[in-house]
Amino acid sequence: NAGVTQTPKFQVLKTGQSMTLQCAQDMNHNSMYWYRQDPGMGLRLIYYSASEGTTDKGEVPNGYNVSRLNKREFSLRLESAAPSQTSVYFCASRTTGQLNTEAFFGQGTRLTVV
Amino acid sequence: DQQVKQNSPSLSVQEGRISILNCDYTNSMFDYFLWYKKYPAEGPTFLISISSIKDKNEDGRFTVFLNKSAKHLSLHIVPSQPGDSAVYFCAARLNYGGSQGNLIFGKGTKLSVKP
Repeated sequence: NAGVTQTPKFQVLKTGQSMTLQCAQDMNHNSMYWYRQDPGMGLRLIYYSASEGTTDKGEVPNGYNVSRLNKREFSLRLESAAPSQTSVYFCASRTTGQLNTEAFFGQGTRLTVV
Repeated sequence: DQQVKQNSPSLSVQEGRISILNCDYTNSMFDYFLWYKKYPAEGPTFLISISSIKDKNEDGRFTVFLNKSAKHLSLHIVPSQPGDSAVYFCAARLNYGGSQGNLIFGKGTKLSVKP
């Protein structure tokens, strides 16, 4: 049981380059999330998808786009990378609704923009 | 403005003693609280949770206490072990309107348990 899988694990980009971070979950969860973690800032929500076909902005969406490709996959795209987007990115998934459920996280993608 | 606050960036405890990690929140609409543990170079992993209708939840060495009137929760680890050394995140679920039950995280507390 793989859980939440993120690719790549590491990436170095030059300013202005674009890239897509991939995320897939095999737990049949309806909701998926992208967070970034910066030193002293905790985990901040970038975008989320409450169900297949829907996406919404979180706390820090500027400079990012997302696609909920199907129920399993949720990708995060940086169209023109900036040094301020240097961070560790985590994808997560969970079942939402009336249940009290936890989110499951991937291993993270460490992105450096130079 | 931070809705979930972990005011201690770090905590150092001796092995075998109790670790107490604290978390304060500002929004009375939070209805579910969680603690996550994170080791370096790994994703956060779920540790324990508590619903707002309870004031205590226990799982082995880990106990979470919730004081709704004070908008405060704490995680107790007894006895602490060196393997507990990690960053601990407090999270709260906002569940009203269009929020879809998103989790809002604190900044984390780095726990060091010394042998």
